Amino acid sequence: DIQMTQSPSSLSASVGDRVTITCRASQNINNYLNWYQQKPGKAPKLLIYTASSLQSGVPSRFSGSGSGTDFTLTISSLQPEDFATYYCQQSYSSPPEVTFGQGTRLEIK
Amino acid sequence: QVQLVQSGAEVKKPGASVKVSCRASGYTFPNYGISWVRQAPGQGLEWMGWISGYSGYTNYAQNLQGRVTMTTDTSTSTAYMELRSLRSDDTALYYCARVLAEAGNSYFDPWGQGTLVTVSS
Repeated sequence: DIQMTQSPSSLSASVGDRVTITCRASQNINNYLNWYQQKPGKAPKLLIYTASSLQSGVPSRFSGSGSGTDFTLTISSLQPEDFATYYCQQSYSSPPEVTFGQGTRLEIK
Repeated sequence: QVQLVQSGAEVKKPGASVKVSCRASGYTFPNYGISWVRQAPGQGLEWMGWISGYSGYTNYAQNLQGRVTMTTDTSTSTAYMELRSLRSDDTALYYCARVLAEAGNSYFDPWGQGTLVTVSS
């Protein structure tokens, strides 16, 4: 099974900060990597797909990069509504065997 | 707009079964698969499997093989997830999500609102 490891597990930051979250795969997954945001009591929301494509309606301050085993999600200037938990997800292999990272909780400093 | 609406909360005893529904609207149901993901209280996301909206082909997570069955009813654009032999550690919020694909990559959008399944004696 492909394991996904996110770092850090939690992060404190201030409004206006630039934040980067990392996701590492246990083997090469090409660019089959997606990012989700989850707020308390809500379903996850797709932010980035195929490593760097911004989902329609998602603010441009969110961006993704990476390929192979190392990926990053960057928020260029944190807004109050961005404080949430972020998950990466891979779908390598056919048929797809999906795994999620353990999540990164982004809190207000 | 594309929407997935799930059935209501369930309370079950250990050893029982539960069947959760997910009704889709706003898109052509057979054109997309549906995945199920669960989240235990205070924990992360766990993928359970997916079903093709067209053929009914399924692929289940290995740790749930033999206990989970996913089906669809294209006449009502509804997907179902049945989990059998419930245990206390199956207590979780269960989500359905539409499966999108691009160049071999699969991702989920949108998600249903979630169905809380509580397993307790």
